[in-house]
Amino acid sequence: GAGVSQSPSNKVTEKGKDVELRCDPISGHTALYWYRQSLGQGLEFLIYFQGNSAPDKSGLPSDRFSAERTGGSVSTLTIQRTQQEDSAVYLCASSLGAVSNQPQHFGDGTRLSIL
Amino acid sequence: AQSVTQLDSQVPVFEEAPVELRCNYSSSVSVYLFWYVQYPNQGLQLLLKYLSGSTLVKGINGFEAEFNKSQTSFHLRKPSVHISDTAEYFCAVRGGNTGKLIFGQGTTLQVKP
Repeated sequence: GAGVSQSPSNKVTEKGKDVELRCDPISGHTALYWYRQSLGQGLEFLIYFQGNSAPDKSGLPSDRFSAERTGGSVSTLTIQRTQQEDSAVYLCASSLGAVSNQPQHFGDGTRLSIL
Repeated sequence: AQSVTQLDSQVPVFEEAPVELRCNYSSSVSVYLFWYVQYPNQGLQLLLKYLSGSTLVKGINGFEAEFNKSQTSFHLRKPSVHISDTAEYFCAVRGGNTGKLIFGQGTTLQVKP
């Protein structure tokens, strides 16, 4: 079956521009997560959604970062006024439930480069 | 809060030799533990997980890990590695009351012929 799908796979943009990254979770998965992978910081949690509950935004690094999940499925991570330190691979994952024993399944990520 | 420490950033090993990748964690609550593998330009693939029960967990590709509560460790082992095992390996922990994974810094396994 289809796994977690992320688009675009690569994104290059100029400093100060806004970017949107998309994630399509595995069908039927109620939980969706965003992580960031960078050379200096490793793998960091950003935000997760579980069903209709309020998302856990505790990992978002600044108010330039936001995410939404429409219809309990597709999610978009938006970074406003991008900075060079935002350059990283952004990984999305989904699972059958956030606080269950179900593992998270990852997409291949979006590689974001800020010039 | 939880934290994870992977004690080795790089582990070089010859093909068909055994390997151990070390992982220690810290948590004030009960946790679930995971090992993921990442091949170049790909996402993370689950190798194995410890949720409860038997402390020796077997995963894919011949890997296994042992949960040691007293030493707060979850080391990954394989008795005989292949060239294709060359990749980045991440240990991760999740507290029982949250969905977010906390990752270690990763260990690069380099298998040499």
